Amino acid sequence: TQLLEQSPQFLSIQEGENLTVYCNSSSVFSSLQWYRQEPGEGPVLLVTVVTGGEVKKLKRLTFQFGDARKDSSLHITAAQPGDTGLYLCAVIFSGSARQLTFGSGTQLTVLP
Amino acid sequence: KAGVTQTPRYLIKTRGQQVTLSCSPISGHRSVSWYQQTPGQGLQFLFEYFSETQRNKGNFPGRFSGRQFSNSRSEMNVSTLELGDSALYLCASRSNTGQETQYFGPGTRLLVL
Repeated sequence: TQLLEQSPQFLSIQEGENLTVYCNSSSVFSSLQWYRQEPGEGPVLLVTVVTGGEVKKLKRLTFQFGDARKDSSLHITAAQPGDTGLYLCAVIFSGSARQLTFGSGTQLTVLP
Repeated sequence: KAGVTQTPRYLIKTRGQQVTLSCSPISGHRSVSWYQQTPGQGLQFLFEYFSETQRNKGNFPGRFSGRQFSNSRSEMNVSTLELGDSALYLCASRSNTGQETQYFGPGTRLLVL
């Protein structure tokens, strides 16, 4: 079974705090994507990482792809209430006809 | 360029009924994928259509079906609804099956009573 595990499942923090969420698997990926989904909306792509060890920054969000391309992390600095949402990682497993498989998600709540 | 649109946004049905959901992709996109999202199972792939042909199918029963029209608009149908079919149904489009970036619509929230 190909699994994509995200942790933590739920995270509630105060505005201004930092946080990190993780996405792990035992499989190697050619690329990995992070999405954010807000209530009543579909997921929106934040970033795609393709190279082992790659680090990408999007304002206060830092995404890292593991050296072995089996895991990834998303770090948010000085979280704001607007960061609240469901964060999903997604990959394409080999042999899946290029269909995305999503992790279970991390529900982040940033309290003002 | 307009995004992916889905209709209706909300729907209430009873067990045993059937339902049809509609998705209009981004103009020029020929691939449409459907996903089911539930609190317990997360986001799960249903099927993908490209140029009016089903290209890929997820692990769902035959009660779930779909089709795509010549203008790339897609519909999915669920027959003999069960309580467990209550979910957010998301549609995503991409320019072709070789592109990994999918653009999601806002979803249709289906409640089965």
